[in-house]
Amino acid sequence: GAVVSQHPSRVICKSGTSVKIECRSLDFQATTMFWYRQFPKQSLMLMATSNEGSKATYEQGVEKDKFLINHASLTLSTLTVTSAHPEDSSFYICSARATGPDTQYFGPGTRLTVL
Amino acid sequence: QKEVEQDPGPLSVPEGAIVSLNCTYSNSAFQYFMWYRQYSRKGPELLMYTYSSGNKEDGRFTAQVDKSSKYISLFIRDSQPSDSATYLCASYSGGYQKVTFGTGTKLQVIP
Repeated sequence: GAVVSQHPSRVICKSGTSVKIECRSLDFQATTMFWYRQFPKQSLMLMATSNEGSKATYEQGVEKDKFLINHASLTLSTLTVTSAHPEDSSFYICSARATGPDTQYFGPGTRLTVL
Repeated sequence: QKEVEQDPGPLSVPEGAIVSLNCTYSNSAFQYFMWYRQYSRKGPELLMYTYSSGNKEDGRFTAQVDKSSKYISLFIRDSQPSDSATYLCASYSGGYQKVTFGTGTKLQVIP
């Protein structure tokens, strides 16, 4: 199956700092990537849809100025959590849309802990 | 009402048992149906992918979709302790429509 990587896998930061998470499709090109957030014992919540070369589309209730998304190439999307606060602590997962079949492949996730 | 409903479990079965995991959905436009497996603290891994109604088999796993009743199932034969994980069903209508996930069912296979 298609492989999606995420970096870093785990990050601990102080409140007020910014954190960048990278998502890469390793063996296919992804015109669309997705960013999800998952709180403990809850399902995935879509935060935004990222299309290569254009602005991301954010879900209702997600602050676009806080969660900056850049889809710079067909294999890389980044999520920057700006001025992180403890309530931003969560598991962030990216996925990339592949064709043949048309489905999503997920990265391993990044656990963010904001102190 | 959530678009995709899934019993959160947990579901405990003895090793070797047949496991049945189920979801219901409400959006008639959904055409694509997936099952993901998620181990603790890991990202979801695609297990099965089906289009429209019917069955699909892959090793010990069988995915079933009944669009008339809006019912999605995943069967695991000869379950193993390594199958212990949370299983998420997901659906979408196609194209660039977003995928809707169930809340996941936690499965524990006891040796």
